[in-house]
Amino acid sequence: GAGVSQSPSNKVTEKGKDVELRCDPISGHTALYWYRQSLGQGLEFLIYFQGNSAPDKSGLPSDRFSAERTGGSVSTLTIQRTQQEDSAVYLCASSHPPGEPPERLQYEQFFGPGTRLTVL
Amino acid sequence: LAKTTQPISMDSYEGQEVNITCSHNNIATNDYITWYQQFPSQGPRFIIQGYKTKVTNEVASLFIPADRKSSTLSLPRVSLSDTAVYYCLVGDTLTGGFKTIFGAGTRLFVKA
Repeated sequence: GAGVSQSPSNKVTEKGKDVELRCDPISGHTALYWYRQSLGQGLEFLIYFQGNSAPDKSGLPSDRFSAERTGGSVSTLTIQRTQQEDSAVYLCASSHPPGEPPERLQYEQFFGPGTRLTVL
Repeated sequence: LAKTTQPISMDSYEGQEVNITCSHNNIATNDYITWYQQFPSQGPRFIIQGYKTKVTNEVASLFIPADRKSSTLSLPRVSLSDTAVYYCLVGDTLTGGFKTIFGAGTRLFVKA
């Protein structure tokens, strides 16, 4: 089936503008993750959802960042009043729900292609 | 979450076996060890996962000693296309989702 998709693939914005990044997880995956990756760096965890709930928001860098998920599917990451340091690739991943057949790897995350955000 | 430590980078040549070791001294009883691979301009991709002893799949092997405080990803006969960043993660698979610490990873360069 289809993998995780993200849109837009690239976004160039001016400092101070708001941006919305979208993630469509694999159908049936209840867990959804957002990460940020700056050039040449590792992945920085931002937030994860179990269904529509986000048990841990501590990874969000500031109150300018917010995320929501509706219908247990699509998620949107919003960055308000963007700053140049927000420039990075934003990656989304999804994984199987817990309790699936034990032979499945419950923790395996399937990543989307990412959204490259450039703040001028 | 257990902290992991990996070498920053490694070099190898085509056809050689590459072993990347990850330290995770504070691993918990329910934690599994998972490795991901990331190519430039792509999201990470799952390689292998294990709990103890040895796990092998079509891509790699994972060796985990009895104390589970470290693990070694083994890539047999690497090729140029294996040049990537490799991440070691430790966490509980039973929850289905949680805060995930990828760390900086190990940048592998395979030379001709």
